[in-house]
Amino acid sequence: AQSVSQHNHHVILSEAASLELGCNYSYGGTVNLFWYVQYPGQHLQLLLKYFSGDPLVKGIKGFEAEFIKSKFSFNLRKPSVQWSDTAEYFCAVNPGASGGYNKLIFGAGTRLAVHP
Amino acid sequence: EAGVVQSPRYKIIEKKQPVAFWCNPISGHNTLYWYRQNLGQGPELLIRYENEEAVDDSQLPKDRFSAERLKGVDSTLKIQPAELGDSAVYLCASSLDSTGGVEQFFGPGTRLTVL
Repeated sequence: AQSVSQHNHHVILSEAASLELGCNYSYGGTVNLFWYVQYPGQHLQLLLKYFSGDPLVKGIKGFEAEFIKSKFSFNLRKPSVQWSDTAEYFCAVNPGASGGYNKLIFGAGTRLAVHP
Repeated sequence: EAGVVQSPRYKIIEKKQPVAFWCNPISGHNTLYWYRQNLGQGPELLIRYENEEAVDDSQLPKDRFSAERLKGVDSTLKIQPAELGDSAVYLCASSLDSTGGVEQFFGPGTRLTVL
């Protein structure tokens, strides 16, 4: 079945550690890719997105993600995490980009806990 | 600018009871989405509206779920009757249109508990 997979359900890091969250998808064709973040007690908000062009995308708060088409991956990275990055992170794919419609398929999410 | 508004934030009901959720999207957003998020999972699309027309309701369990978006602005999602398995967070989102990849803005969600 077509899906979006996030490899880690829970990640625990110390402040200043580097972060990489994996995301793989199984849809062919043209896709749009997103990372959403949900801070404790808050709603989902967009962290960054990839439409086309440069496969290295920079988002808010120092996050970036790299689209590797051959690997069907869109991993999220941050060189040095802060306690305030504690949140749940969701990868999402719009498999309908080539068809001109907007439908997000979400991964199961990764809970990140950053210890001071 | 006000974000997507949802009410209520929390709802506890007994099984077989009806329940309704309300959503007001960001002003000017033509596309409205309802998602369901089960515990430990990502959101799953239930229905998408373009203005007042439901254009993708393939994942909506139509035997007990219904939705409407009168006048193409706010929307209501209803469950009747509710089952234990309906316990989840129901999210509403909106976007300017449904062009591939346009950003969706999410509301805070309604957490439903069915006892």
